[in-house]
Amino acid sequence: QKEVEQDPGPLSVPEGAIVSLNCTYSNSAFQYFMWYRQYSRKGPELLMYTYSSGNKEDGRFTAQVDKSSKYISLFIRDSQPSDSATYLCAMKDSGGGADGLTFGKGTHLIIQP
Amino acid sequence: NAGVMQNPRHLVRRRGQEARLRCSPMKGHSHVYWYRQLPEEGLKFMVYLQKENIIDESGMPKERFSAEFPKEGPSILRIQQVVRGDSAAYFCASSPGGDNQPQHFGDGTRLSIL
Repeated sequence: QKEVEQDPGPLSVPEGAIVSLNCTYSNSAFQYFMWYRQYSRKGPELLMYTYSSGNKEDGRFTAQVDKSSKYISLFIRDSQPSDSATYLCAMKDSGGGADGLTFGKGTHLIIQP
Repeated sequence: NAGVMQNPRHLVRRRGQEARLRCSPMKGHSHVYWYRQLPEEGLKFMVYLQKENIIDESGMPKERFSAEFPKEGPSILRIQQVVRGDSAAYFCASSPGGDNQPQHFGDGTRLSIL
């Protein structure tokens, strides 16, 4: 079983729809959770960073963490064609020198105008 | 530009040559991380460095790969005697350090091996 599972898609939705992206993980030591957006031929861009269960909102983006179920989500409201990209979930445990992130493979999102 | 700077953006090498990839962290960041992204694969952690120290190299291949972050200048990821399987995008990230500080990425170096 991979440490982080993420559906690669593609996920295609019409403009204005609410998008739900998800990851599951198996390592209960993971304490910090991130969502990155990656456009083609570019580096990952940090969207959300959280370390507690519950919801965190930033503009059109909401990150949700459920540590008991080992499940994280990213919701995008009022989706725009410019949101079309690959979305990567990432996580890490609580330090001790092990600061490398573990990534999902990414979900390719397409917003249809 | 205050972001993480990587160069070159594209690098072509023949099998057996050496590849050197450079990374300048964001201003104020002293922690550097290298990741590799193979085609159709996710980003994989390779190594974590602070100035003049390797903190965690658990993701580095045992042979041909090395990394450094000298007191002055950029971090360097060095691949000796490259093989076709080394073709990938290599990303550098930096942070100020600490559990509550996220990592910010550069735009990567795309390495192609002929």
